[in-house]
Amino acid sequence: QQQVRQSPQSLTVWEGGTTVLTCSYEDSTFNYFPWYQQFPGEGPALLISILSVSDKKEDGRFTTFFNKREKKLSLHIIDSQPGDSAIYFCSASKNAGAKLTFGGGTRLTVRP
Amino acid sequence: EAAVTQSPRNKVTVTGGNVTLSCRQTNSHNYMYWYRQDTGHGLRLIHYSYGAGNLQIGDVPDGYKATRTTQEDFFLLLELASPSQTSLYFCASRATDSGNTLYFGEGSRLIVV
Repeated sequence: QQQVRQSPQSLTVWEGGTTVLTCSYEDSTFNYFPWYQQFPGEGPALLISILSVSDKKEDGRFTTFFNKREKKLSLHIIDSQPGDSAIYFCSASKNAGAKLTFGGGTRLTVRP
Repeated sequence: EAAVTQSPRNKVTVTGGNVTLSCRQTNSHNYMYWYRQDTGHGLRLIHYSYGAGNLQIGDVPDGYKATRTTQEDFFLLLELASPSQTSLYFCASRATDSGNTLYFGEGSRLIVV
C-alpha cells in the first residue's frame, strides 16, 4: 500500500499560470514533508519543505500548504515558467532524521 | 554544494548477470541511500547505511545487496539480475545534523535484457 500518494501523475499548464500539485499520506505520525524537484537527466533536489506544526511555507513562487486533519499537502507554483518543467515528488518522514517515503511523482510541463 | 557521484551512468546486462553500481560522496555525510525510480512508483528505498560497515534494509530490498566500505563509498550489487530490475537507480547522502535534506547523484540507468 502506497503511504504517500500524488496527483495528478502528469500536468500541463501554460506559462504564467498557477500550478497546483496535491499529495496525501496515510501515516498520521509523519511530521516532516519535503518536496523534491527533478529535471531531466538529473537527480532530485530539495525544493521546499514543511513541518506539521505549520500550515504554509513560501519560497518565492513556490508555496506548500499542509492540512493535518485531512492528511493532505499541496504545492502551488504561481507565474509558472517553462523552466519549472520537471518531476515533482512529495515525501514524508516521521521526523527530520528518519527515512523519507516518496510519492509517485507528478510530471509538470509548462508550455510557452 | 554536496557532491554525490555515481558510476556507471548507463549499463546494459543480460538476465542472470552480475552488476555493481557505485556511489561516492565527498560531503562527509554519515547516511547514504540507494533508491530506484520507476514511473508511477516514484522513488523507492532499496538499502541505506549510517556509516562504514553498517547496512539497513529499505522497502524494496529483494534481489539487491549493498555494502558500505568507507564513509564515502556505497555499492549496490545485483548478483542475478532480472528484467524487473531494469530501472533508474539513485544514490543519495545526508548529514546527521542538517535536517533531512537528501543530496542525490545523477543516477545510473540499468537495463536488464
